[in-house]
Formats: sequence, C-alpha cells, structure tokens
Amino acid sequence: EIVLTQSPGTLSLSPGERATLSCRASQSVTSNYLAWYQQKPGQAPRLLIYGASSRATGIPDRFSGSGSGTDFTLTISRLEPEDFAVYYCQQYGSSPTFGQGTKLEIK
Amino acid sequence: EVQLLESGGGLVQPGGSLRLSCAASGFTFINYDMNWVRQAPGKGPEWVSAISRSGDYTYYADSVKGRFTISRDNSKNTLYLQMNSLRAEDTALYYCAKEPGYIIGYDAFDIWGHGTMVTVSS
Repeated sequence: EIVLTQSPGTLSLSPGERATLSCRASQSVTSNYLAWYQQKPGQAPRLLIYGASSRATGIPDRFSGSGSGTDFTLTISRLEPEDFAVYYCQQYGSSPTFGQGTKLEIK
Repeated sequence: EVQLLESGGGLVQPGGSLRLSCAASGFTFINYDMNWVRQAPGKGPEWVSAISRSGDYTYYADSVKGRFTISRDNSKNTLYLQMNSLRAEDTALYYCAKEPGYIIGYDAFDIWGHGTMVTVSS
C-alpha cells in the first residue's frame, strides 16, 4: 500500500495570499496518477486536480497541481474566502489511498 | 444534473449486516466504473471497493475483503454494498463515487454522493 503524507497539517493564510500544499508518497506513483480534493464541513470531497496537473471540470485556474514520482504539490495562487477548507491528495496508480489532509484556515 | 443518492445506513451491532444502495441519475450509469469510499468521523477518506461498468470485475480494500460485497444493477442505475460481520472500525460515512472514465483501472472520483452514515456499536 502506498502511504501518502501531507504537509503541513494546518496552514494559516490570509485571502489573497498564495498557498502551497505538499503530498509525499512512500513509493513512486504509477503514471503520476495523483488527485487533489477539497472538502468543506458537511460536504463530500470535490475533485480539483487529476493526473497530478489536470484541472477537473469547472475548477478555477487559481488551482494548479504539479509534481511527479513521489513528490506532488497543490498551489492556490490567490486565496479566495471560499478556498478555506481541508485538502486531500489521493493516488490511484495502485489500490487507491488518501493522505491525512491539510487544513487551510484563515489567519 | 449528475447525482448520486446513498441510502441504507444506520445503527447496527458488531457482527451484524447492512446493505447500502446508491441511486445514480443524470448520466449513463453503465458507462462508468463505480466505487464506495468511507470516511470515519474526523478522518480522511478511505477507499473501500470498486466495480467495473459491466459488474464483472470487483476490487476491495484489505480491511473489508471477505466481509463486504459490491454489486450493481445497471437496469436500475443502482450500486450496492453488502456489509457483513461489521466491526466498530467500520463506523463511517459511506460515499458512493463515480469515476470519470479517463483511464482503464483505478481512477480518481469526479462525482460523490452526500453519503450514508453507518454506526457499528452495541
């Protein structure tokens, strides 16, 4: 099983700032099959990024994904108030696993 | 509108059984592989099981293998999860999730239902 470790656990930023979230895999992710999700309280996760860098339908271009192999990054270029949430990475190159999440909170 | 609606959750004693259902609408159900994903309170999501579009192929997390069975009825646009020998650690919100169909094999999840809560407790 591939273990995904996300950092930091909590990120405190202000609207308008840039957010950088990290996801590190315990072994190389096949074909960079890495996705990112956003989850707000009481809601299901929402797909943001798939294939490490492709934005899902309807996702604003302030969200971008990068990385390969074992190190992946989600960047939010300029934070909007609605972006404060928990973010999860997921690999699907083998039996799917999720990271433990990064909480993005308002500073 | 693409929609997934789960049902069948509830309170069950350890060792008991439950059958979850997920009604799909707004898309051609038979064209997509489907999954169950669960999330324990305060924890991250955990993939549980997947089924191919025809229903011929099924996959399970080690934590549920031998106890849970995934199935689908394409004539009813419905996905199922039969859960037997339930344990306290199975307590979670169970989501039905659709794959976008970009690739063969495991995939991301582009559409999620709102979930149905399963609580295993005596």
